[in-house]
Amino acid sequence: QKEVEQNSGPLSVPEGAIASLNCTYSDRVSQSFFWYRQYSGKSPELIMSIYSNGDKEDGRFTAQLNKASQYVSLLIRDSQPSDSATYLCAVTASGGSYIPTFGRGTSLIVHP
Amino acid sequence: DAGVIQSPRHEVTEMGQEVTLRCKPISGHNSLFWYRQTMMRGLELLIYFNNNVPIDDSGMPEDRFSAKMPNASFSTLKIQPSEPRDSAVYFCASSGSRDTFPLHFGNGTRLTVT
Repeated sequence: QKEVEQNSGPLSVPEGAIASLNCTYSDRVSQSFFWYRQYSGKSPELIMSIYSNGDKEDGRFTAQLNKASQYVSLLIRDSQPSDSATYLCAVTASGGSYIPTFGRGTSLIVHP
Repeated sequence: DAGVIQSPRHEVTEMGQEVTLRCKPISGHNSLFWYRQTMMRGLELLIYFNNNVPIDDSGMPEDRFSAKMPNASFSTLKIQPSEPRDSAVYFCASSGSRDTFPLHFGNGTRLTVT
């Protein structure tokens, strides 16, 4: 059974700090990795996708992938109170199953 | 682009009643997903359609749940009879290709069964 694990948090960081969110997955053939942000009472929205080992940067967000260690992380630089949300990690495998498996999410609180 | 449209936004019903949730995917998307989200279990896949055909329904909890996709622009999720443990937020999501995610989520239906 494919599993995607995240620390539920909450992760509390001060405004302006770097927030580091981590995700581990069990299926070694996983190929695509996504981070979704979900504000309270809202639907998930994609903020980052990464497909190969290494770092991918988009503005204040950096996704990091290490397939050998089976983890993917999301760094948020210069954290803002508006970044306070739950961050969901999603993983899809190759080989015909394109159904993403979601982690339960990490709650991030950025305090002024 | 109107996004994925779900209705109703909120549904309150009594145990034993039939509930029908509706979803209109983004035009041109050929994959559609129904998810259920609870605090205890997170986001769970219920069923996945590709080109209107159910591909994976292993997440459907039991026979009380059924889903249809009669055409590319409409899908329903039905619960009959409903039970209090079905209370959750139900999301519909669509995707343009099996090879290229992301999923685009609707605003969800918050279901409360009393």
